Amino acid sequence: EAGVTQFPSHSVIEKGQTVTLRCDPISGHDNLYWYRRVMGKEIKFLLHFVKESKQDESGMPNNRFLAERTGGTYSTLKVQPAELEDSGVYFCASSQVRGYNEQFFGPGTRLTVL
Amino acid sequence: AQSVTQLDSQVPVFEEAPVELRCNYSSSVSVYLFWYVQYPNQGLQLLLKYLSGSTLVESINGFEAEFNKSQTSFHLRKPSVHISDTAEYFCAVGRRGTDKLIFGTGTRLQVFP
Repeated sequence: EAGVTQFPSHSVIEKGQTVTLRCDPISGHDNLYWYRRVMGKEIKFLLHFVKESKQDESGMPNNRFLAERTGGTYSTLKVQPAELEDSGVYFCASSQVRGYNEQFFGPGTRLTVL
Repeated sequence: AQSVTQLDSQVPVFEEAPVELRCNYSSSVSVYLFWYVQYPNQGLQLLLKYLSGSTLVESINGFEAEFNKSQTSFHLRKPSVHISDTAEYFCAVGRRGTDKLIFGTGTRLQVFP
């Protein structure tokens, strides 16, 4: 069974540009989460989808970030326009049911904004 | 608000030595506790978790952690480490009613031969 996959693995862009990160959860997992780790700091929750609906988006930093999950399968996270402080590793995770079942994480996308 | 503190950013240790990675949390409500591990170039993997019941939980590869409510700690231990345990370890907290996890800043465990 394939795990959570994320694309691209690395992205280097200039300030002001747009970047779209993609996450493919494990097949059949209704719950999808985005997290971010800024260099040297903790991994922070961004948002949680249940199927195509945003269940909790309390961690989204500002309106430059837009997450979608059309059809309840893969998800995209768009940053527009990117700022220097957006640099970090963006992790996606998925789980089969709500509550404290294991969240399966992808390898992350390393975003560098110059 | 919840927070997780991992005081040690790096822990160097020789192979076959014991290790303890510390984790303290702050929360005013009942919590669930997790340790995740990230091996080089891989995603985070769940190592072990405490949801309820026995305060001592174990992983399949010899790690264990003990939930200590009075000290608000969930330290990770292994009596004898291997080179393959070299990785970054993250402590995380969750609470009832929300799926989001609150992570610590991570501890890099470096095992030397």
